[in-house]
Amino acid sequence: QKEVEQNSGPLSVPEGAIASLNCTYSDRVSQSFFWYRQYSGKSPELIMSIYSNGDKEDGRFTAQLNKASQYVSLLIRDSQPSDSATYLCAVNRGGADGLTFGKGTHLIIQP
Amino acid sequence: DVKVTQSSRYLVKRTGEKVFLECVQDMDHENMFWYRQDPGLGLRLIYFSYDVKMKEKGDIPEGYSVSREKKERFSLILESASTNQTSMYLCASSFKGDYGYTFGSGTRLTVV
Repeated sequence: QKEVEQNSGPLSVPEGAIASLNCTYSDRVSQSFFWYRQYSGKSPELIMSIYSNGDKEDGRFTAQLNKASQYVSLLIRDSQPSDSATYLCAVNRGGADGLTFGKGTHLIIQP
Repeated sequence: DVKVTQSSRYLVKRTGEKVFLECVQDMDHENMFWYRQDPGLGLRLIYFSYDVKMKEKGDIPEGYSVSREKKERFSLILESASTNQTSMYLCASSFKGDYGYTFGSGTRLTVV
C-alpha cells in the first residue's frame, strides 16, 4: 500500500516568514514528486515537481527531496496571505499508474 | 491555455440513478484520471486510462465504471448512485510518462 503522509495542520506562519511543509512517503521505488496548492472550493494546481535528490527553486518556492530518508519538503519564502491554502504532496512510482496524494497541510499566513 | 473541462460544476441526483460525469481535455494527453476528494480522506484514485479504450482500476473502483472512446474524453459512470458517493469528483490528465497532472475544476455531486 503506497502511503504519503503530511501533517494536516493548520500551520500558521506570519506574513513575510518562511513556511516549511513536509511530506514522507512509504514506497522506496517512488520516482517523481509533486506539490499542489488547493484553495478552498477549487481544484488542485501544480506548483512544483522534483525528480532527483537536492533542492529545486522556482521563484519563492523551493522543493527539497531526500530519497534515502523518503521525505520531500516545500519551502515558501516571503510568505503572503495569498499563499494561504491546502498544500498536497503527491508521489508517483513512475509510469502511468497514477499519483498517490497526501491528505494535505492547511497553511495559514497571518497578516 | 491548456484545459481540462468537466461538464458540470454541481450535480444533484437521486439514489439509484445512473450518473455520467464527463471530462474533456484539449492538450492531447495520453493519461486521464478520475479522483474523488472527501474531507479527512483526501484524494483517492477511482480509475485511470493511459490510452483510448484502455482503463485501469484505481484504489476505489467499486460502484464506478469508465469509458474512453476518444483520446480527449474520459467519462465516469455511477451505475446506481448511492448516498455514499456524494463527493467532489476531479478529473485530471497528463502526458505519457511521468508528468504532473492538470486538473479540471471538479464536479460536486450530491446523491439524495
